Amino acid sequence: QSVLTQAPSVSGAPGQRVTISCTGSSSNIGAGSDVHWYQQLPGTAPKLLIHGNTNRPSGVPDRFSGSKSGASASLAITGLQAEDEADYYCQSYDISLGGAVFGGGTKLTVL
Amino acid sequence: EVQLLESGGGLVQPGGSLRLACAASGFTFSTYAMTWVRQAPGKGLEWVSTIGGSGADSYYADSVKGRFTISRDNSKNTLYLQMYSLGVGDTATYYCAKRFFYFFDEWGQGTPVTVSP
Repeated sequence: QSVLTQAPSVSGAPGQRVTISCTGSSSNIGAGSDVHWYQQLPGTAPKLLIHGNTNRPSGVPDRFSGSKSGASASLAITGLQAEDEADYYCQSYDISLGGAVFGGGTKLTVL
Repeated sequence: EVQLLESGGGLVQPGGSLRLACAASGFTFSTYAMTWVRQAPGKGLEWVSTIGGSGADSYYADSVKGRFTISRDNSKNTLYLQMYSLGVGDTATYYCAKRFFYFFDEWGQGTPVTVSP
């Protein structure tokens, strides 16, 4: 049971837009902790995709965007491409636990 | 270019011990907190432990507290995770990651740990 809640899977056709949600609580996202997103391609290590709720590291396409509201956050991917098929994880900091917390991950399938 | 290279994983019996290492290069190692994150087969990511840049401060997930010890040797640009009293629930790929503020901007390729009789 992950501290942050994500839907197990989402799918979309090439060119479409999908969103992945991440729900926390008053001890993490709701307490004001930033949300960060990681992309994990099959068989590889996670890669930072979005940090500080909305910021893309250099090299990440602007098709990826993040938002946060209250105790929840979302990752949006527009213009879906086959190479976007991966697992996506949200992460924040939990004040009560005193450490990083992750969502359970959402598997994106490009139809 | 930042590189993080984990080593030390392998097969260990329940109750056994193992020490993981992560060799870092491409950045000023002592300036950054470092973290271990693990991923059980087919499961999600789990934060394990974080150590501050100087090594003076360390933090652990409840699941490993008292059994795992994180440390670093800034003269060797190397991060360690000493694991004791390993159980089957500790079977996972262990990643080291560089922490920037409260997120992880660089990750190693991971080292697998299997706890099995």
